[in-house]
Formats: sequence, structure tokens, C-alpha cells
Amino acid sequence: EPEVTQTPSHQVTQMGQEVILRCVPISNHLYFYWYRQILGQKVEFLVSFYNNEISEKSEIFDDQFSVERPDGSNFTLKIRSTKLEDSAMYFCASSVRQANYGYTFGSGTRLTVV
Amino acid sequence: KNEVEQSPQNLTAQEGEFITINCSYSVGISALHWLQQHPGGGIVSLFMLSSGKKKHGRLIATINIQEKHSSLHITASHPRDSAVYICAVHTGNQFYFGTGTSLTVIP
Repeated sequence: EPEVTQTPSHQVTQMGQEVILRCVPISNHLYFYWYRQILGQKVEFLVSFYNNEISEKSEIFDDQFSVERPDGSNFTLKIRSTKLEDSAMYFCASSVRQANYGYTFGSGTRLTVV
Repeated sequence: KNEVEQSPQNLTAQEGEFITINCSYSVGISALHWLQQHPGGGIVSLFMLSSGKKKHGRLIATINIQEKHSSLHITASHPRDSAVYICAVHTGNQFYFGTGTSLTVIP
């Protein structure tokens, strides 16, 4: 069964450093998403991406965040200058069409900012 | 302010019981999703609904758009159903998630 692959599974970084979280969506999917879940809290939407541009974003997704699909297969989330409160599990998801259809999640990257 | 409310927050059931998890939302939506989060953290999409009812195996999801309410039912529950079940809505330009219902099914 096709999978959404996320790397790394766990990343530890120092406060103020830049991190890039990587995702390989399912190959025929066109819509891509990033979510985060701070430990013990609910899942939060960050951003959706279609046709090489951001289609929706939440108020969490401020200027320190960016997304990119650099090579037609990877979908990356960059956090420019990490803060302690960025520590969370980051999930990537993809879908064939927009989110009115089912979508597939990756297994997540646990980001720890120290 | 919580756009999505789930109940109950925690639920313990005996194996074989019929389970219902409820979701109410306060915003206009284009779709509602039920997700399952395993103890290890992974998330699986169970259903996407915009109207009516869907069934997959022992799982049934219903939605009442007028009442802004959805239910997830599990028939003949099994210990492997133990997980957090999350309701999420898509408004057209935002996603909102409930805090989840933690289900434990005891053998």
C-alpha cells in the first residue's frame, strides 16, 4: 500500500537553528499538508500546498515557516529560527484531490528544540 | 474557543461492546474527517464525510449537517480498536481538530 514517508523520525536541534523536515508524498497525490501536535495537545493545521503554492495556512504558519516542493517528489517544511515552543510532532499528509477526499498521513517527525 | 468538540474525552469499553463517539462543530464545513491516532502516534484517516453515512468494516460514521453533529460508531469492539479518535473539519480554507476521544477496549 502506498505510504507517505517522513524523515527524520526524530530531530533534536538547538534553539535558533534552522530545521528542514522532509516528506515524500504518495506519487499521484496533488495536495500536500503539514500539521503539528504539541505533546499532550490536539493536532493543529499548519499549511496546505497545491500546484506549487500555498493554498491555505493557519495563523500558526508565520514568517518563520516555509514550505517547498523542490524536486517534484519531496515536500519540505522549513522552520527558520526554532523556538522551544516549536517542539512537537510534525505530520505530513497528502491526498489525490483537495481535503474533501480522504488523505494519507506520514508517521511524523518528532522535533525537539533544546 | 473550540470550533470542534468531542465527547466523551475518555471511554473504556468491554470487548464486544457497541461504541459511539460524538463530534459537534460550530463552523460551516465542506467536509468532516474521522482520524485514528495509534498509541505510537501515527495517524490514519478513517472517513471523510460531507453528508449522510459511511461504513467500513465495523466502523460507521454519520453526519447531520443541519445539527452540525457527527458520530463514529464501532460495532463489536476489540482491544485493537484502542486508540485516540479525532474529529476534524475543513471549512474551505482552514482545518480544525477536536481534542480526541481516548478509547480503551478491555478484553
